[in-house]
Amino acid sequence: AQTVTQSQPEMSVQEAETVTLSCTYDTSESDYYLFWYKQPPSRQMILVIRQEAYKQQNATENRFSVNFQKAAKSFSLKISDSQLGDAAMYFCAYRSARGFKTIFGAGTRLFVKA
Amino acid sequence: EAGVAQSPRYKIIEKRQSVAFWCNPISGHATLYWYQQILGQGPKLLIQFQNNGVVDDSQLPKDRFSAERLKGVDSTLKIQPAKLEDSAVYLCASSLDPGLAVHFFGPGTRLLVL
Repeated sequence: AQTVTQSQPEMSVQEAETVTLSCTYDTSESDYYLFWYKQPPSRQMILVIRQEAYKQQNATENRFSVNFQKAAKSFSLKISDSQLGDAAMYFCAYRSARGFKTIFGAGTRLFVKA
Repeated sequence: EAGVAQSPRYKIIEKRQSVAFWCNPISGHATLYWYQQILGQGPKLLIQFQNNGVVDDSQLPKDRFSAERLKGVDSTLKIQPAKLEDSAVYLCASSLDPGLAVHFFGPGTRLLVL
């Protein structure tokens, strides 16, 4: 069965600095999708970034980028120039290209210090 | 466009009582998901609908939980009877294209069972 592991329950970063959130996953499949979702306090979860496993190029969305290491089954999220609004729970998620179920990690709570 | 709507936002009940949650997905989104998010954990899929058919309900405790999606639009999730361990946030999400698997989440319903 596929699993998603986020080994950092909490992280903190100074405003304007860079932080990297870790995610590893376990799968025997070669074609799948990976996601990072953000859940701000008392607000709904939104998609941050999406990566397709067959693409070697790392996805980027403005200040957010990923380091996708397929062989290592690692999918980390880098947030550059951190802002106070980045404070949230961040969830890594996996979905097989052949299946329907999305599996979420336990999340990393990110604190941003002014 | 309007987002995913959920009601109620909060609910407090006693164990053995019944409760129902409602979700209205984004217009045109064929896929609808119900997730259970226990405090400190990532969302866990309870049930996934494609239009008004069930795609995956393997983690739905069917002895007490039920869900329906009439006419392929809005959906209700019911718990009957509730247990203490059902205390959680119940998230509804929808997707336009199940192949892309990008979730649009509602604000959630926070359930406390006393």
